[in-house]
Amino acid sequence: AQSVAQPEDQVNVAEGNPLTVKCTYSVSGNPYLFWYVQYPNRGLQFLLKYITGDNLVKGSYGFEAEFNKSQTSFHLKKPSALVSDSALYFCAAVFNDYKLSFGAGTTVTVRA
Amino acid sequence: DARVTQTPRHKVTEMGQEVTMRCQPILGHNTVFWYRQTMMQGLELLAYFRNRAPLDDSGMPKDRFSAEMPDATLATLKIQPSEPRDSAVYFCASGLVLASGSPAGGETQYFGPGTRLLVL
Repeated sequence: AQSVAQPEDQVNVAEGNPLTVKCTYSVSGNPYLFWYVQYPNRGLQFLLKYITGDNLVKGSYGFEAEFNKSQTSFHLKKPSALVSDSALYFCAAVFNDYKLSFGAGTTVTVRA
Repeated sequence: DARVTQTPRHKVTEMGQEVTMRCQPILGHNTVFWYRQTMMQGLELLAYFRNRAPLDDSGMPKDRFSAEMPDATLATLKIQPSEPRDSAVYFCASGLVLASGSPAGGETQYFGPGTRLLVL
C-alpha cells in the first residue's frame, strides 16, 4: 500500500543546532512530496515540495529537503534551528492522483 | 496577503444538531479540499472539488455529511445529524491547477485556520 511514514514522533534539538525531520514513503513510481508545518491552533502552512528536477528543494524559513529515490526518503532539514521552529511537522505525498496522504506528524521542540 | 478563511472558528453543539462549516478559498483557486484532523486518525481527506465540481467525497460518511460549492467563493461542509465522534478540527484548503503545466496533484494546497467542532 502507498503510505508516508514519519518514524519519529518527537525531535528535540538545541537552538542553533541542525534540525532533521525524517520522512519515508512506500510506493512504486515517483510521488509528489510535500512538507507542511502546523503551529498550535493554526492551520497547516506549506514549507516546500518536490515534483521533479533537482533533488534538493529549498523552502520557506530556511528549510530544505532532499528527495532520495533509492532510499525512498524526503527528510526535512534546517542548518540552524530556532526556538520559533517548535511546531508539528507533516510530510505528505501525492501518489497517483490528487490526494495528499499525510504522515502522522513529528513534534519538534527547539530549546533555548 | 491571500488566505483561506473558515467560519466559524469554534463550534460547540449538541448531538443531533445540524452543523454547517464555511470556507472561502483563495480568489482564483480552482481546487478545494476538506480535511478532518483528530488525534487518533490524524489528517483525513473528506472531499475534493475542482472547478466547483465534486470529484471525490469517498472520505465522508455519506449518510450524515455533505459538501457543496454554491459558487467559486464559497465551499460548505454540513453534518446532519451531528454525533460526538464528529468532534474534530475541520480544515479547508484551496489550490490552483493550471489548464496545462502543473501535474494533477502537484499543486500546493493552502490551508485555512480550521473549525474546531465539539459535539456534546
